[in-house]
Amino acid sequence: DVVMTQSPLSLPVSLGQPASISCRSSQSLVHRSGNTYLNWFQQRPGQSPRRLIYMVSNRDSGVPDRFSGSGSGTDFTLKISRVEAEDVGVYYCMQGTHWPKTFGQGTKVEIK
Amino acid sequence: EVQLVESGGDLVKPGGSLTLSCAASGFTFNNAWMNWVRQAPGKGLEWVGRIKSKSDGGTTDYVAPVKGRFTISRDDSKSTLFLQMNNLKTEDTAVYYCLPDGGNPWGQGTLVTVSS
Repeated sequence: DVVMTQSPLSLPVSLGQPASISCRSSQSLVHRSGNTYLNWFQQRPGQSPRRLIYMVSNRDSGVPDRFSGSGSGTDFTLKISRVEAEDVGVYYCMQGTHWPKTFGQGTKVEIK
Repeated sequence: EVQLVESGGDLVKPGGSLTLSCAASGFTFNNAWMNWVRQAPGKGLEWVGRIKSKSDGGTTDYVAPVKGRFTISRDDSKSTLFLQMNNLKTEDTAVYYCLPDGGNPWGQGTLVTVSS
């Protein structure tokens, strides 16, 4: 199975400051179609996860533009340009290129 | 609006069985590959399995910890996804979510507790 490794696992951030989460995969996530199926999810406390970013860098509808995704191959990043209070929660990367699909361990973002 | 509503979660004894349902609406269910994902209390997310659309063969795939015990099926006439779980173990305790292959959206999930 493809192992997804996130860092850091805990990320205290001051309001208005940027935050960055790294996600590395044990194999390339480039599908034979040429697409890279790397998604990012946010799970706020007490809520179900929701997808923020799909295929590396595409924001879902309703996701603020302070969230951005980048990367290629095996190395990916989720950035929050200016952290707001509503961004507190756990963030997961997930690869959908190989079966079984796998998630990273999660990164807990909290306000410092 | 796409909606997924999971149901059927319960408290069950080890070795017992349970069937979860997921009612889908707002999209063409019969064309969708559908999945089950679970989250143990206080833990991360784990893919459980998927079922392809009937037009793509309707086949199923499972992760190793549930293979041979869990079965995913679908009723396209009712836009409903099922997860039949047999020989349940304490480590199957989790909130179970159904979702389309792209990972969006998520329902509220249904809690399965396996305990004596």
